[in-house]
Amino acid sequence: QKEVEQDPGPLSVPEGAIVSLNCTYSNSAFQYFMWYRQYSRKGPELLMYTYSSGNKEDGRFTAQVDKSSKYISLFIRDSQPSDSATYLCAMQTLYSSASKIIFGSGTRLSIRP
Amino acid sequence: GAGVSQSPRYKVAKRGQDVALRCDPISGHVSLFWYQQALGQGPEFLTYFQNEAQLDKSGLPSDRFFAERPEGSVSTLKIQRTQQEDSAVYLCASSPRPPGQGLTTDTQYFGPGTRLTVL
Repeated sequence: QKEVEQDPGPLSVPEGAIVSLNCTYSNSAFQYFMWYRQYSRKGPELLMYTYSSGNKEDGRFTAQVDKSSKYISLFIRDSQPSDSATYLCAMQTLYSSASKIIFGSGTRLSIRP
Repeated sequence: GAGVSQSPRYKVAKRGQDVALRCDPISGHVSLFWYQQALGQGPEFLTYFQNEAQLDKSGLPSDRFFAERPEGSVSTLKIQRTQQEDSAVYLCASSPRPPGQGLTTDTQYFGPGTRLTVL
């Protein structure tokens, strides 16, 4: 079983829809939770990060973490065609000089105009 | 300013050939990471450098994989005697400080990757 599980999609929604992307994890030592966006033939770019359970909002994006359930989500409101990309959840432990990021497998998202 | 750059962007190798992939991190970044991303998968950690020191190479899949960062800036990932299963995108990322420094962690900035195809 992988440490981080993510629905691979693909997910196709009409422009303006609310999108929900989710990941589960098994390692309770993870303390830092991230969402990366990866456009085709590009490297991942950090979209949002959070340390604690609860919600964090940034424009049309909301990241949600539930540590008790080991479940994280990314919500995209008023989705745009430019949001079409692969979204990767990622997690990391802290307080370790050898801390490494563990990525989910990514969800491919397509927003239809 | 300039981001992380990688070269070549695409590499085709015959099985058994050696390849060398280059990463130019953001200037002044202490930490440098290499990841392998197979088709349809997320990046998987290969190795980590803090300046010129390779502190973690636990993700390197075999002794055919070797990485170096001799002067603490540019890094090279070398794969000897390439196999078909080595076909993947190899991503490099850099960040300003070492990971795990207290309560925060720095963003890792990724390059565009090198797509390696082994025939």
